[in-house]
This record gives sequence, C-alpha cells and structure tokens, in this order.
Amino acid sequence: EAQVTQNPRYLITVTGKKLTVTCSQNMNHEYMSWYRQDPGLGLRQIYYSMNVEVTDKGDVPEGYKVSRKEKRNFPLILESPSPNQTSLYFCASSGGEYINEQFFGPGTRLTVL
Amino acid sequence: GQNIDQPTEMTATEGAIVQINCTYQTSGFNGLFWYQQHAGEAPTFLSYNVLDGLEEKGRFSSFLSRSKGYSYLLLKELQMKDSASYLCASMDSNYQLIWGAGTKLIIKP
Repeated sequence: EAQVTQNPRYLITVTGKKLTVTCSQNMNHEYMSWYRQDPGLGLRQIYYSMNVEVTDKGDVPEGYKVSRKEKRNFPLILESPSPNQTSLYFCASSGGEYINEQFFGPGTRLTVL
Repeated sequence: GQNIDQPTEMTATEGAIVQINCTYQTSGFNGLFWYQQHAGEAPTFLSYNVLDGLEEKGRFSSFLSRSKGYSYLLLKELQMKDSASYLCASMDSNYQLIWGAGTKLIIKP
C-alpha cells in the first residue's frame, strides 16, 4: 500500500531533550516536506527536500534540522526542544505522476513540557 | 507578502450545497489546491486548478479565477461525513505551497 509513515504518533518530552521524528514513504517520491500545524495558523512548512542530499528551509525552520540521505526517509530532528515547539507535525511527499499532489503522513502530536 | 484568506467556519444542512471561498496572493502562481482534513487526521487531496474555470469531480467542484486571485470549493448533496476542515493552498513560483488556515465546515442534520 502506498503510504507515508511517521513515528512516533504521540510524544511527550521535556525541554532540551533531543528527539527525532521519522518519516518514510514507499512511493519513490522525489519531494518531501515537514509541516507543523497550530490552531488558527494553518500548515506552516519547516523544511523541504527536492531530492536526496538536497534540503531547504521553509517558513519556520528555527529549532529544527533535517537530513535526506536516502530517497525514502526524511527525519525531523529537534536538537533542544522548547515548549513553543509543541504542535502537530506532518510529513508529506510528492513526485512521479502525482507531482502536484502531496501525500501526508498520519501526523505526530508533540508536547514539550 | 504571501497570503491566503478563507472563512474560519461555515455551517450547512445535510443535503444542501455549500461554497467555500478562498482568495490568494502569492509570489508567482503554479496552481491552487484544496485539501480535506477531518479532525485529528492528515489532510487529503481534493482538487488542483491551474487554469481558469470549473473542475467537477463527483459531488465536489473547484473553481479558479487567476485574474481575481480567487477560488471556491463547491460541495453538493452534503453528507454528515463532509464535516471537516477544508484547506486552500496556492503554489508559488518556487513550487512551494502557501496554506490558508482552513475552513471548518459543520454539517447539521
């Protein structure tokens, strides 16, 4: 089944404790992206990647890192999480014949205390 | 600056028709997207318009006017399962999506 997976789905952590949210897609898509979604603000892009080893900042990259060593994986790293990073995070991918349609993962709800 | 405007919330009756409007201002334009998002779930793709006019897909239709920076999503024969948020997004000249905050649609029996 074609899908985007994210792990973990839910995470409660404390300020300053490094964490990684994994994202993987099995559709051989070139493009992958991370968003955060907060009430009343809509989806805001954190980082995106056009292909392996190519990453670019989105609208709200501060406090986040990403890497794209393989086409299928695009992990989001929070080196020192802070409470203002409490949010719902979505990974998305697109490519091939679906170049104009982004497929979203199920979301990761992160709480930083 | 880049901006997407859509109503925060709308209410409609089961079986009726509802139109959700979206206005956009982006640096360049490479298409207008509509996504549906049920509470607590991921957004799912509904439609993509890059040329002016109406695109019909079953009960859902999407319209675009590039000269006016305007789009709408039309939902016919509303069902209770259509209760969701509807997200409008414009693709800019760098092929990045600029998202609106979403319109929460409430369907009443």
